[in-house]
Amino acid sequence: AQSVTQLDSQVPVFEEAPVELRCNYSSSVSVYLFWYVQYPNQGLQLLLKYLSGSTLVKGINGFEAEFNKSQTSFHLRKPSVHISDTAEYFCAVSAGNFNKFYFGSGTKLNVKP
Amino acid sequence: IAGITQAPTSQILAAGRRMTLRCTQDMRHNAMYWYRQDLGLGLRLIHYSNTAGTTGKGEVPDGYSVSRANTDDFPLTLASAVPSQTSVYFCASKSSTDTQYFGPGTRLTVL
Repeated sequence: AQSVTQLDSQVPVFEEAPVELRCNYSSSVSVYLFWYVQYPNQGLQLLLKYLSGSTLVKGINGFEAEFNKSQTSFHLRKPSVHISDTAEYFCAVSAGNFNKFYFGSGTKLNVKP
Repeated sequence: IAGITQAPTSQILAAGRRMTLRCTQDMRHNAMYWYRQDLGLGLRLIHYSNTAGTTGKGEVPDGYSVSRANTDDFPLTLASAVPSQTSVYFCASKSSTDTQYFGPGTRLTVL
């Protein structure tokens, strides 16, 4: 079975500061990994995904994530955040036959001026 | 292109009533999903469908049923609603590149 752990439920950060949102997964088979963002009262939007190839993945809005197989992690980073990045971020994993997705509990990023 | 539409946007329902949440996509994706989102729990998969005519159970299927008569529609039915089914429900479809596209959600309150 697969599972996803997002260690931080909330991350406060000042505008223009760097941020890292942590994600760890467990799986005994190859995985696809995803980060989604959810703005208030909206559905989820894809930020970036890792399917194969380079372990450093770049996404929209200046976000990037690095797949670390030995540490079973897929942490999300941004070197300088904006107020508009305030949202909830979800890490997700798909494994095996890649027909099911498992989501973490989410991390609320609160960017302060 | 609308993507995924869900109806209703929100609903208050008496316990014991039957309710169907509607989901329609116009992207011709084969795979579709229903999730529920609860505070502190993230999204949990209720049911999924890999292609029209097939469905499967997710993590939390009890009390819910789905059908997939065609590619575009994937309704979720609560046969007899209970208060623990109060949640926000999201429908999603998956592209050939394994990206999921989500609808705007249905906020359901069962009293």
